[in-house]
Amino acid sequence: RKEVEQDPGPFNVPEGATVAFNCTYSNSASQSFFWYRQDCRKEPKLLMSVYSSGNEDGRFTAQLNRASQYISLLIRDSKLSDSATYLCVVNKAGMEYGNKLVFGAGTILRVKS
Amino acid sequence: DAGVTQSPTHLIKTRGQQVTLRCSPKSGHDTVSWYQQALGQGPQFIFQYYEEEERQRGNFPDRFSGHQFPNYSSELNVNALLLGDSALYLCASLPSGAGVVAPLHFGNGTRLTVT
Repeated sequence: RKEVEQDPGPFNVPEGATVAFNCTYSNSASQSFFWYRQDCRKEPKLLMSVYSSGNEDGRFTAQLNRASQYISLLIRDSKLSDSATYLCVVNKAGMEYGNKLVFGAGTILRVKS
Repeated sequence: DAGVTQSPTHLIKTRGQQVTLRCSPKSGHDTVSWYQQALGQGPQFIFQYYEEEERQRGNFPDRFSGHQFPNYSSELNVNALLLGDSALYLCASLPSGAGVVAPLHFGNGTRLTVT
């Protein structure tokens, strides 16, 4: 089983739609969680951290369910510029120096006019 | 204030050759991590350097080696290149003591093509 699993998509949605991505992780001791966004042939960029209580940043809402070991990302009112690959990221627990992140393979989102 | 910078941007090598990629961390950062991202995959952790020593290593063969210099910049070396080494190589830096909860911010990456 992969450490971080995501539906690869692609998710094809019209502008203005609401879309949700889920991600599952296998290490119950993982401590930090993130969503990254990656545009074609560019480096991944941090979209948002994911906190236990859930957090929102504008049109983006992230949720963490530790019991079920999954993370979600909800995008409301999709824009054309949201088209990208969304990477679910989990830290590798127990690392002395931290920040050994494990990435999912990504979910492709295509927003169409 | 420049972020993480990597060079070169693109590189084409032949199987069996050796390659060196370079990374300059963000000002004030002393820890450098390297990741490999093959096409259609998420980045995979290669190793992390702190105080000029390799501190953590992912599941990569010994052909992948690195170095960190006193100014905190880092190099990634790959020997005996294989076609499967073709990927985007990403570098990220952190300040010491960032801890497990800090996210990573990557440089623009080096795209390596092995023919």
